[in-house]
Parts: sequence; structure tokens; C-alpha cells
Amino acid sequence: GEDVEQSLFLSVREGDSSVINCTYTDSSSTYLYWYKQEPGAGLQLLTYIFSNMDMKQDQRLTVLLNKKDKHLSLRIADTQTGDSAIYFCAEKHNFNKFYFGSGTKLNVKP
Amino acid sequence: EAGVAQSPRYKIIEKRQSVAFWCNPISGHATLYWYQQILGQGPKLLIQFQNNGVVDDSQLPKDRFSAERLKGVDSTLKIQPAKLEDSAVYLCASSPRGSGLQSWVNTEAFFGQGTRLTVV
Repeated sequence: GEDVEQSLFLSVREGDSSVINCTYTDSSSTYLYWYKQEPGAGLQLLTYIFSNMDMKQDQRLTVLLNKKDKHLSLRIADTQTGDSAIYFCAEKHNFNKFYFGSGTKLNVKP
Repeated sequence: EAGVAQSPRYKIIEKRQSVAFWCNPISGHATLYWYQQILGQGPKLLIQFQNNGVVDDSQLPKDRFSAERLKGVDSTLKIQPAKLEDSAVYLCASSPRGSGLQSWVNTEAFFGQGTRLTVV
């Protein structure tokens, strides 16, 4: 099936770290992605990880992958109010098909 | 590099009317997707094209939805007749590589801003 699962909401204070979690479905997915969606906008790619990696760091973003449990997480360090948005994880199946989770709405309080 | 262009940005129609959305992908991108995003949910794939051929339309409600990608560039998505439950944001995305590419090559999808459809 294509049910990528995410928790719906996360609220943090400015300056704290945020951790957004995702459980994906297909153990053969070779790439996993995190997209950000701001109000009224399309999806913007934040980062991705190849399935043979456990971790990827990109400035304030850290992606952790547990392939055994099919668990993906996105950590945002020093979260800012501009990080408030909906975050989607996505997995890429064969034939370049992308399947998305339902999104986690991150609210950053000043 | 210009992004994925979609029009219109917003559309309000009455149920049973028809509507069409247009997408211009990033130049040279082989794969084009149409996604439906209902409020509070993630994007759901409706149809995937590679050049002007359909790769996957298994989730497209073919009794009322149709899509085409003539000449393998621009694409249109049509709904006829619309139902209340079609209210959603319709997102177009494109990817530079073809669907037959081996899955270990990274091929991110680039999204347009979407068309928000309200059916009343």
C-alpha cells in the first residue's frame, strides 16, 4: 500500500529543536524525501536521503533513517518562526512514483 | 531556471460544471505528474506522464477526470462534471528523468504552486 504515516501536529518554541517523524511503507524505496509547504504554495524540496545511508546533515536539517523499522525523521535545529509550515515525507517507488504522507503541521511559537 | 507554472491559481465552480487546469513543466523534464491535495491531507497521485505517454493513471476517476500531455510538454487536467468532493488543490509536478530510469538515481519532483478548486 501507499500509506505513509506522519503525526499531524507539532508545536515548539523558537530556538528549540523540532523532530518530525514518518513511517513509510516500501522497504525497497531507494530515496526518501522531506518537502515543506507554506500556506498557498506548492511543495518545496528540503532534503532527501538515499536508502543506504543512516543519516544526512544539511545545515540545520538532520535526516535519520531506520530502514529496518521503515522510520524516517527530520530534525530542525534552532527552529525559527519562518520554519512554521507543513512538512511532508515522501518515498520514491519504481518508475519514479512519489507517495506522500499526510503532512505534519509545525507551529513555532515566539 | 523557470519553475513549474500552473493556471489558474483559483477557480470556483458550481457542481456539475466543467473545469480545466493547465500546467507548463520545467523545460526538458520528461516526467509530469498531477496530484490532488484535499485539505488536511497529503498529495495523492492522479496521473503520471512520461513525455506524452501515460505511465500510471490508476488513481484517476476516469468517469469524470481526463488529462493529456500533447507533444510531451504542457498538460491539461479536466473535470467534467465536477462534484463537491473534487474541491482540493491540484498540484502539477515535473521530474527531469524518465520513469524507466533505475530507481537508485535520485530524481526529485519539482512542484508548481497549485490550482485551488472550490466546487459549490
